[in-house]
Amino acid sequence: DIQMTQSPSSLSASIGNRVSITCRASQSIGTHLNWYQQRPGKVPKLLIYAASSLQSGVPSRFSGSGSGTEFTLTISSLQPEDFATYYCQQYYTTPALAFGGGTKVEI
Amino acid sequence: EVQLVESGGGLVQPGRSLRLSCAASGFRFENYAMHWVRQAPGKGLEWVSGISWNSGRIGYADSVRGRFIISRDNAKNSLYLQLNSLRADDSALYYCAKDIFSAAISSMDVWGQGTTVTVSS
Repeated sequence: DIQMTQSPSSLSASIGNRVSITCRASQSIGTHLNWYQQRPGKVPKLLIYAASSLQSGVPSRFSGSGSGTEFTLTISSLQPEDFATYYCQQYYTTPALAFGGGTKVEI
Repeated sequence: EVQLVESGGGLVQPGRSLRLSCAASGFRFENYAMHWVRQAPGKGLEWVSGISWNSGRIGYADSVRGRFIISRDNAKNSLYLQLNSLRADDSALYYCAKDIFSAAISSMDVWGQGTTVTVSS
């Protein structure tokens, strides 16, 4: 099985900060990686698919990069509505998928 | 409006079964792969199972393989998850989600509000 490890598990940041979250795969997954945001009490939302493609309607301050085993989600200027938990998810092993453990972004 | 509405959750004893349903509307259900994802209270997301548009490709998480069965009825715009041999650690909020593709089981762009399954004696 491919293990997905996110770091950090939580971070504190301020409005306007640049924030980066890392997701590492235990083996190469190409660019078969998505990023999701889950605000407290809300359903998850797809932000980035195929490692770097911005989902329709997602603000451009979100970006994704990486390939192989290391991936990064970057928020260029943190906004109040961005305080949430972020998950990476690999689909290299489709039809079996897996999420990372999550990164909570707090004030 | 694209919408997914889950139902069928509830309190069930360990070892028993439950069937979850997801009613889809606002999009051509038969054109998309679908998923079940669960989230235990205070925990992260766990992908459970996925099914392609024509049921030709199906996948399961190791934690549920052999106990859960995913299926769909395109004529009824409905997705199902049969949960058998339930255990306490299956207790979670179960989300139904739509894939962005038809055949590839990969990415979830629309989510329902979830239905809660509690396994307890």
